[in-house]
Amino acid sequence: EDQVTQSPEALRLQEGESSSLNCSYTVSGLRGLFWYRQDPGKGPEFLFTLYSAGEEKEKERLKATLTKKESFLHITAPKPEDSATYLCAVQGAGSYQLTFGKGTKLSVIP
Amino acid sequence: EAQVTQNPRYLITVTGKKLTVTCSQNMNHEYMSWYRQDPGLGLRQIYYSMNVEVTDKGDVPEGYKVSRKEKRNFPLILESPSPNQTSLYFCASSSNRGVGYNEQFFGPGTRLTVL
Repeated sequence: EDQVTQSPEALRLQEGESSSLNCSYTVSGLRGLFWYRQDPGKGPEFLFTLYSAGEEKEKERLKATLTKKESFLHITAPKPEDSATYLCAVQGAGSYQLTFGKGTKLSVIP
Repeated sequence: EAQVTQNPRYLITVTGKKLTVTCSQNMNHEYMSWYRQDPGLGLRQIYYSMNVEVTDKGDVPEGYKVSRKEKRNFPLILESPSPNQTSLYFCASSSNRGVGYNEQFFGPGTRLTVL
């Protein structure tokens, strides 16, 4: 059974204070690892897909990295508008399902 | 505009009264899925469909039905809703390139309350 654990559950940062969110996973053959952003009361918004260990992707202040056991979402010099819940999900080989973690709620204080 | 739409966005109903939540996508995606999101439990998959007339159970299918008669539509049916189905529901879709599924695009959500 695929499992995803995200940490921390919640994170408060001062504006400009860089940090990282963690996503640990167990899956029988990784087909893809996905990062989403979710604002309160809205549907998750796609950020990145990572397919293999060593892969990195960037978008504005966000950078996602992947190892064989975990993924990190690095946030550089965050702004208040980066406040949201960040979700990680995995898809295993031979599976058509996504397994989501419970998310990290990020608050960026001006 | 490429999007996934859900209706209704909010619904309050009573136990046992059959209801349908519609989902439609305009991106010609093969794959569609339904999730529910509950505090402390995260997003859990209810049912998914890999193409027209092909559906399968997710992690929490009990109490739900789905059908996929057209590529763009994937309605979620609650034949006899119960209070434990009070939740925030999301529909999602993605294309299938044959080596796995691409990122899923989510609808805006349907907040369901069953009294």
